[in-house]
Amino acid sequence: EAGVVQSPRYKIIEKKQPVAFWCNPISGHNTLYWYLQNLGQGPELLIRYENEEAVDDSQLPKDRFSAERLKGVDSTLKIQPAELGDSAVYLCASSTGASHPDTQYFGPGTRLTVL
Amino acid sequence: AQSVAQPEDQVNVAEGNPLTVKCTYSVSGNPYLFWYVQYPNRGLQFLLKYITGDNLVKGSYGFEAEFNKSQTSFHLKKPSALVSDSALYFCAARGGGGFKTIFGAGTRLFVKA
Repeated sequence: EAGVVQSPRYKIIEKKQPVAFWCNPISGHNTLYWYLQNLGQGPELLIRYENEEAVDDSQLPKDRFSAERLKGVDSTLKIQPAELGDSAVYLCASSTGASHPDTQYFGPGTRLTVL
Repeated sequence: AQSVAQPEDQVNVAEGNPLTVKCTYSVSGNPYLFWYVQYPNRGLQFLLKYITGDNLVKGSYGFEAEFNKSQTSFHLKKPSALVSDSALYFCAARGGGGFKTIFGAGTRLFVKA
């Protein structure tokens, strides 16, 4: 079974530029999460989707961050414009949503460096 | 506020010795507790979880964790450490009925040959 796929794995951009990250969850997983992981810290939830609906985006900085999961499968997280403090690893995770609590399976992450 | 604490930034153990990675939590209601491991440039991998029932939970790669309600702890253990166990370990918790998982800051485990 293929795991959670994320791309790109690494991204270096200048501040004020836009950037987008893509995630393809495990097939059949209805729930998708985007997390932010700063160096030396645990993941922090940015947004959670149940199918195509964003059910928890309270931690997403909506002035510059946006996300979408239009068909309830893959998802894109965007930052526009990027700031120096956005340098971090962005993790995507998915779960079946069929049980509570269900286990989250993580992708390898995208490491963003903002110069 | 809900929180997860991993009091040790780093744990050092010799190969073959038992290991313990500590975790305490503070969540509302009955807790759901998880351990994940992260290798360099990799995502988090699920090790085990506690939902209810037996306080000793067995997971992947010979790891187990003991739930202690009175001490609000969920320590990760392994009877005999391997060099390949060297990695970053994260404890996570979710309050009963809730959907948000809170992660600790992580503990780096070094197993010396």
